[in-house]
Amino acid sequence: KNEVEQSPQNLTAQEGEFITINCSYSVGISALHWLQQHPGGGIVSLFMLSSGKKKHGRLIATINIQEKHSSLHITASHPRDSAVYICAVSGSRLTFGEGTQLTVNP
Amino acid sequence: EAGVAQSPRYKIIEKRQSVAFWCNPISGHATLYWYQQILGQGPKLLIQFQNNGVVDDSQLPKDRFSAERLKGVDSTLKIQPAKLEDSAVYLCASSLRRGNEQFFGPGTRLTVL
Repeated sequence: KNEVEQSPQNLTAQEGEFITINCSYSVGISALHWLQQHPGGGIVSLFMLSSGKKKHGRLIATINIQEKHSSLHITASHPRDSAVYICAVSGSRLTFGEGTQLTVNP
Repeated sequence: EAGVAQSPRYKIIEKRQSVAFWCNPISGHATLYWYQQILGQGPKLLIQFQNNGVVDDSQLPKDRFSAERLKGVDSTLKIQPAKLEDSAVYLCASSLRRGNEQFFGPGTRLTVL
């Protein structure tokens, strides 16, 4: 079992839909990161959080430390949101989930 | 502020050949990371430097992979000899210090034929 599990692995949505990607982890962490990776591109950090909730534009990230669970929400999704979203946790090193491939169709 | 630079962006080699990747971190960032990302998987840490010293290389296949950061700034990652299973994207990242947010480069996509 991976230390960081994401669900779903693949997600297809219609433009405008509300999207949720989940992340569960099994190790102690100092912080949790949500990252975005476009095809052929590098990785962009979206959020780094250790408690509560953060919002940036149409993106919202929440974390429940007791339940070892985090969610990334995208409101009013758009085709340009299509990418791989990766959850990673900071412990002794950064440990990554396998990513969620999101496709938003117009 | 310039981001993390990597070169080359793409490389195709035959198995048993050697290859080297270069990374220039964000200015002033003490910590530098090399990751391997195989298609369909999350990145895996290969090696972490703090200035010019190695902090963690426990997942680096040392029989064929080597990395250095001699002056505590730029870094190179070398594979010698390459195997088919080394085909992956090699990502470099840097952070101001250990535990801080990491900033990633665009990656080098390696294909071993």
